[in-house]
Amino acid sequence: DTAVSQTPKYLVTQMGNDKSIKCEQNLGHDTMYWYKQDSKKFLKIMFSYNNKELIINETVPNRFSPKSPDKAHLNLHINSLELGDSAVYFCASSQGSGGVGYTFGSGTRLTVV
Amino acid sequence: KQEVTQIPAALSVPEGENLVLNCSFTDSAIYNLQWFRQDPGKGLTSLLLIQSSQREQTSGRLNASLDKSSGRSTLYIAASQPGDSATYLCAPKAGKLIFGQGTTLQVKP
Repeated sequence: DTAVSQTPKYLVTQMGNDKSIKCEQNLGHDTMYWYKQDSKKFLKIMFSYNNKELIINETVPNRFSPKSPDKAHLNLHINSLELGDSAVYFCASSQGSGGVGYTFGSGTRLTVV
Repeated sequence: KQEVTQIPAALSVPEGENLVLNCSFTDSAIYNLQWFRQDPGKGLTSLLLIQSSQREQTSGRLNASLDKSSGRSTLYIAASQPGDSATYLCAPKAGKLIFGQGTTLQVKP
């Protein structure tokens, strides 16, 4: 299936831990994104990569570090997790930064306890 | 800074009704605007994309319009069905997509 797939789907972890979320797309898109959706359902962009190059880096704590080993993968590593990091994290991809063909993954629900 | 407002926040209608979801944005310098659908516990599905030079786009029972100068877009859903129940998000793009909070629609059989 052509899609954006992210793992894990659910992640429960304790404060202070370090965790990673992986994202892969097989759509041939050259741009990938990480979004955070908080408890109030606001969806906000965190990072955007185009051909492995960081092009958008919103005001996100530096505990969050994206890594793009190739244009089909964009992983998100989070250090020293805090309660406020609890949210649903969505990976997405598109062809070009114009947003054509925007495709989202199904999300990773992160719960920090 | 782009701000996106969607009205109403929630809507409940009986099956078969035609309905309009509204989206307004503060910065009219956009490349395009997309409407997405989000089902509970799922990711977003792109419904329609309107380029800044276009006035509307249609896909099946869905019609989206764009008035860039006034910073408004509407999503028209004809003959609503229970399967249309979801949250609908609009997202104008100028460098990056900025999402509204969404309109949660419930269509009752």
